[in-house]
Amino acid sequence: SQTIHQWPATLVQPVGSPLSLECTVEGTSNPNLYWYRQAAGRGLQLLFYSVGIGQISSEVPQNLSASRPQDRQFILSSKKLLLSDSGFYLCAWRGAGYNNEQFFGPGTRLTVL
Amino acid sequence: EDQVTQSPEALRLQEGESSSLNCSYTVSGLRGLFWYRQDPGKGPEFLFTLYSAGEEKEKERLKATLTKKESFLHITAPKPEDSATYLCAVQAWNTGNQFYFGTGTSLTVIP
Repeated sequence: SQTIHQWPATLVQPVGSPLSLECTVEGTSNPNLYWYRQAAGRGLQLLFYSVGIGQISSEVPQNLSASRPQDRQFILSSKKLLLSDSGFYLCAWRGAGYNNEQFFGPGTRLTVL
Repeated sequence: EDQVTQSPEALRLQEGESSSLNCSYTVSGLRGLFWYRQDPGKGPEFLFTLYSAGEEKEKERLKATLTKKESFLHITAPKPEDSATYLCAVQAWNTGNQFYFGTGTSLTVIP
């Protein structure tokens, strides 16, 4: 069966510091991978998605970036965090086939102080 | 612009009191509609996928239905453990790999 991992689970970082969040998927090959941010009282905001190694699509202009160095690894990064980057970050995977639903990881709670 | 609207924002039910949650959508060609359950501090848990108007899916006390403009999540005789936020998402033919999420309905079931 497939599983998705995210770490760290929680993170408190000062403004201006760098960020690296990691997501890995097990039990599937060539998944579509997604990064979302969920702010309190708001829906999931799609940040990035990837259909393959090195292929990244960005949906929202911001100081975040994403990379996919391996088939089942997706990384969210920032060189300098802003207060507005605080939120709940979710990674999701979807099978590369037709009309497949997304499955989410446990999330990372990021607080920027 | 593609949009997903969920109502109500919050719902409090007595245990055993059945009700429905609504998800209305405006997309140019629905490819799929998805329901998720999210507990506080956790990632969304997949519940159902609906593809075409008239389709229904059931799981325990939950039943999801789909029309051309909206979907309903019916909760029959809810229990306190059904308390969670329920999210709806849609995928459209013209947006490929993207999914659009509503802001969710926060359900509280009181014993």
